[in-house]
Amino acid sequence: GESVGLHLPTLSVQEGDNSIINCAYSNSASDYFIWYKQESGKGPQFIIDIRSNMDKRQGQRVTVLLNKTVKHLSLQIAATQPGDSAVYFCAVLMTGFQKLVFGTGTRLLVSP
Amino acid sequence: DTEVTQTPKHLVMGMTNKKSLKCEQHMGHRAMYWYKQKAKKPPELMFVYSYEKLSINESVPSRFSPECPNSSLLNLHLHALQPEDSALYLCASSPPNGETQYFGPGTRLLVL
Repeated sequence: GESVGLHLPTLSVQEGDNSIINCAYSNSASDYFIWYKQESGKGPQFIIDIRSNMDKRQGQRVTVLLNKTVKHLSLQIAATQPGDSAVYFCAVLMTGFQKLVFGTGTRLLVSP
Repeated sequence: DTEVTQTPKHLVMGMTNKKSLKCEQHMGHRAMYWYKQKAKKPPELMFVYSYEKLSINESVPSRFSPECPNSSLLNLHLHALQPEDSALYLCASSPPNGETQYFGPGTRLLVL
């Protein structure tokens, strides 16, 4: 099976800082990884994904880094804004299985 | 369009009621999912439909009954629920391989 954990339940940053949210997974056969953002009262929103044949992928103000050696995934948010305040989940999938395994979530608090 | 819609947004029901949750997507996805999410927890998979056939049932009690009438619609029929079933019920859809699951806004269910 697979288990996914996040390193910090809460991360507090100042507006304009860069934020880094970390995630660890257990199964080296996992090969697809997603970050979701969930605001209060809403469903999870897809942010960015990465496959196991990549180490890094960039989106708009977000970067995902994958270290398969230590089974670690991180989400970097540049110039964090108050609108980035939410719970962030990493999720992991193994090819051939339709089941996403979610981490426990990190609450990002951005103060002005 | 990456939208998954869910109705109703909120639902209050007694333990003897029968109700249904509805989910719709028009992204051409052939896999659809039901998740349950309790407060401050990650989503937990309940059911997966692939090509309108039930492919995964995560040992969900029979008081929850899923239905996939066509490739765009997914229902969850509820009967004789318990107060501990109160939660946010999320629908998601994806390509058949399970990647890039897009979530709806959820139905917040309260069982009295």
